Amino acid sequence: DVKVTQSSRYLVKRTGEKVFLECVQDMDHENMFWYRQDPGLGLRLIYFSYDVKMKEKGDIPEGYSVSREKKERFSLILESASTNQTSMYLCASRVMKGGFRGQAFFGQGTRLTVV
Amino acid sequence: GQQVMQIPQYQHVQEGEDFTTYCNSSTTLSNIQWYKQRPGGHPVFLIQLVKSGEVKKQKRLTFQFGEAKKNSSLHITATQTTDVGTYFCAGNTGGFKTIFGAGTRLFVKA
Repeated sequence: DVKVTQSSRYLVKRTGEKVFLECVQDMDHENMFWYRQDPGLGLRLIYFSYDVKMKEKGDIPEGYSVSREKKERFSLILESASTNQTSMYLCASRVMKGGFRGQAFFGQGTRLTVV
Repeated sequence: GQQVMQIPQYQHVQEGEDFTTYCNSSTTLSNIQWYKQRPGGHPVFLIQLVKSGEVKKQKRLTFQFGEAKKNSSLHITATQTTDVGTYFCAGNTGGFKTIFGAGTRLFVKA
């Protein structure tokens, strides 16, 4: 079974702190994604990476950055956490070979609270 | 930018009633996927539709992809309490991005 593991299930940080959310997948997937989930807004794409060291902005990248130094790991960084970044963060990965895009496998989510 | 609209936002049904959620994209999709998220859980893949007009069934669930590949629906026949959760559609246009709808949260009353 594919496993996507996020480093923390719950996290509480102070305003202004630099926050790192880590995600690791064990299936050698090319694509990895970071979404945030808020009630009534569904899953909004923050950043995605289609390969190692490759990254692209999603729909709401402001206040975030990412790092993908190794294929299995995709990190989301909140440069200076703010209260409006309190949310559930979901990491996902999927296979991508040629034109085929597989299903996305999600981690268990990190519920981040910024106080 | 590309948008995927999903309705309704919420649906309350009595156990045994049918349920349908609809998804509409502002652009033509190369494929559409459906996911289910149980309360407190993470989204789990249900199915992928690729062909224009495609219909797929999984037991009591029926998935359709529109002829123009811009809309899709998920229909559940005779809902059960195990069907509760949020159902998301997710569209791909051929690039790398997968855009999710806002989801439809299903409540089933026993």
